[in-house]
Amino acid sequence: DTGVSQDPRHKITKRGQNVTFRCDPISEHNRLYWYRQTLGQGPEFLTYFQNEAQLEKSRLLSDRFSAERPKGSFSTLEIQRTEQGDSAMYLCASSLGTSGQRHTDTQYFGPGTRLTVL
Amino acid sequence: TQLLEQSPQFLSIQEGENLTVYCNSSSVFSSLQWYRQEPGEGPVLLVTVVTGGEVKKLKRLTFQFGDARKDSSLHITAAQPGDTGLYLCAGGTQGGSEKLVFGKGTKLTVNP
Repeated sequence: DTGVSQDPRHKITKRGQNVTFRCDPISEHNRLYWYRQTLGQGPEFLTYFQNEAQLEKSRLLSDRFSAERPKGSFSTLEIQRTEQGDSAMYLCASSLGTSGQRHTDTQYFGPGTRLTVL
Repeated sequence: TQLLEQSPQFLSIQEGENLTVYCNSSSVFSSLQWYRQEPGEGPVLLVTVVTGGEVKKLKRLTFQFGDARKDSSLHITAAQPGDTGLYLCAGGTQGGSEKLVFGKGTKLTVNP
């Protein structure tokens, strides 16, 4: 399977604990995105990387959230001191990142990590 | 803030019927992507449209991007139970951002 992969698929944690999720993009894609989706809502943008550079962050990404893409390949999203309001599906997407395009890249999503904070 | 409104929110039809799902905004988007999402899974891309007035067909699915690039529609002909799922539209923002703005989705159920 050469699609976007995410690990773990499910995570249950207690309030106050730290959690880390991993995303492996499609191999030739140089852009990687993180979104969060709560029940009954569409995905909401969190942040994106062009290679290893984090170029855009949403105000939804509080200081308890940090994302990295150290070698421009896989990415991790860490949530510190989790709160019940962090319970959601965390989605990763990747895109080719063709330079010079006049429109937003087509993004391909992974299966998501479902986080439940008790 | 750019918003996308999808309608209807829920749709339950019988196999063989036709349906149209709408995605509307007061903002202009650089592109419009449609996804289908199954419970507990990530969205799966159906189509990307980038030109105002563009129409794309994917078997029984027809996608249209409005002339002003503010709205889009998805029409399904002769719906089948396998079409059941959450249909999401997502707009590509302008001005250098690469984020997608999603609607809340249309939950479609096709009954046999």
